[in-house]
Amino acid sequence: AQSVTQLGSHVSVSEGALVLLRCNYSSSVPPYLFWYVQYPNQGLQLLLKYTSAATLVKGINGFEAEFKKSETSFHLTKPSAHMSDAAEYFCAVREKNNDMRFGAGTRLTVKP
Amino acid sequence: GAGVSQTPSNKVTEKGKYVELRCDPISGHTALYWYRQSLGQGPEFLIYFQGTGAADDSGLPNDRFFAVRPEGSVSTLKIQRTERGDSAVYLCASSSGSYNEQFFGPGTRLTVL
Repeated sequence: AQSVTQLGSHVSVSEGALVLLRCNYSSSVPPYLFWYVQYPNQGLQLLLKYTSAATLVKGINGFEAEFKKSETSFHLTKPSAHMSDAAEYFCAVREKNNDMRFGAGTRLTVKP
Repeated sequence: GAGVSQTPSNKVTEKGKYVELRCDPISGHTALYWYRQSLGQGPEFLIYFQGTGAADDSGLPNDRFFAVRPEGSVSTLKIQRTERGDSAVYLCASSSGSYNEQFFGPGTRLTVL
């Protein structure tokens, strides 16, 4: 089975600083990878997805992620953090039978 | 509706009781998924419906958990003889096809005392 590992359960950055949230996957076949964001008391919202069309994927709210096969990574970045980016972020891989396997999540805190 | 809705938003029950959690998917979505999210963890897959049938129920933890989708729209997750370890947020998602984007509901927070 495929899986994802998110390095760092908590990340804190200053407003305007670079955001980097790490995700590594394990898969024996080309994976479908996703990043979701979860705001307090809300459902998961898709930020972006990798489906093998392009290695650099741009998502909503200025986020992007780069698929690196040699490193089995799919890290999420944003050049300049906003206070509104504070949330929980989940990396996920879709299995061949279509269910999603999520990482444990990274809580992003943005300091003024 | 505009999005996936789940009821109730919160459910508190006593150990040993039976509970039902409801999911209303986005109108027209044929695929429906249930996940469980324990505190400090990512969502964990439970079951996936394509239409009325369960295409994959490999994530259900044991036979106390059961889900139905009799008309291919609304789904109910049923938990018998609840245990304290069942306390979690239960998430539902739907998609317009098996491999399309999954849209998530806000979840039902289940607390078993």
